Amino acid sequence: AQSVTQPDIHITVSEGASLELRCNYSYGATPYLFWYVQSPGQGLQLLLKYFSGDTLVQGIKGFEAEFKRSQSSFNLRKPSVHWSDAAEYFCAVGPMDSSYKLIFGSGTRLLVRP
Amino acid sequence: DVKVTQSSRYLVKRTGEKVFLECVQDMDHENMFWYRQDPGLGLRLIYFSYDVKMKEKGDIPEGYSVSREKKERFSLILESASTNQTSMYLCASTRGTLAGATQYFGPGTRLLVL
Repeated sequence: AQSVTQPDIHITVSEGASLELRCNYSYGATPYLFWYVQSPGQGLQLLLKYFSGDTLVQGIKGFEAEFKRSQSSFNLRKPSVHWSDAAEYFCAVGPMDSSYKLIFGSGTRLLVRP
Repeated sequence: DVKVTQSSRYLVKRTGEKVFLECVQDMDHENMFWYRQDPGLGLRLIYFSYDVKMKEKGDIPEGYSVSREKKERFSLILESASTNQTSMYLCASTRGTLAGATQYFGPGTRLLVL
């Protein structure tokens, strides 16, 4: 069955420190992969997505993610975190067929220490 | 910019009431979705629609129904609200039939059922 795992429920980093949020997926083929961010009281906003080509994907707000097929992972990174990055982050996978559905992970809440 | 709006940000209803949550998108998207978001569970798909009057059940349709009479509007209906339907409800839309298309989210409706 298709699934997405975000093993970290909460992560706390200091402002200016680097960040890596983990995402592992289970899928029969290479899926479409997404990272969304949800700021407090808001809906979800797409940070980046991957479906083919270069395995290192650049997104908005200085985020990037790397697809590693051998590890079934799509980890999100940022070299220097800003206080405004405090939010909840969701990894999602989408199928290669004509279905439109996404499967979301349970989310990782990022706290930023001043 | 795609805009997805939801009729209410906060809603308080009593057990047994019929509840309507409305979602409107302004980008002529074919596909629309209703998700439920609960802590530790991520987003779970309730229903989606790929065309006017067309709908498909998602992963947790029990206790919910939907209506899509116009392309831009997708309504979620709780026929008889129960306390276990207290949650955050998110609407999303996406263009076309391309797998992996970006989903655009509304700000969410936080529903409390007493």
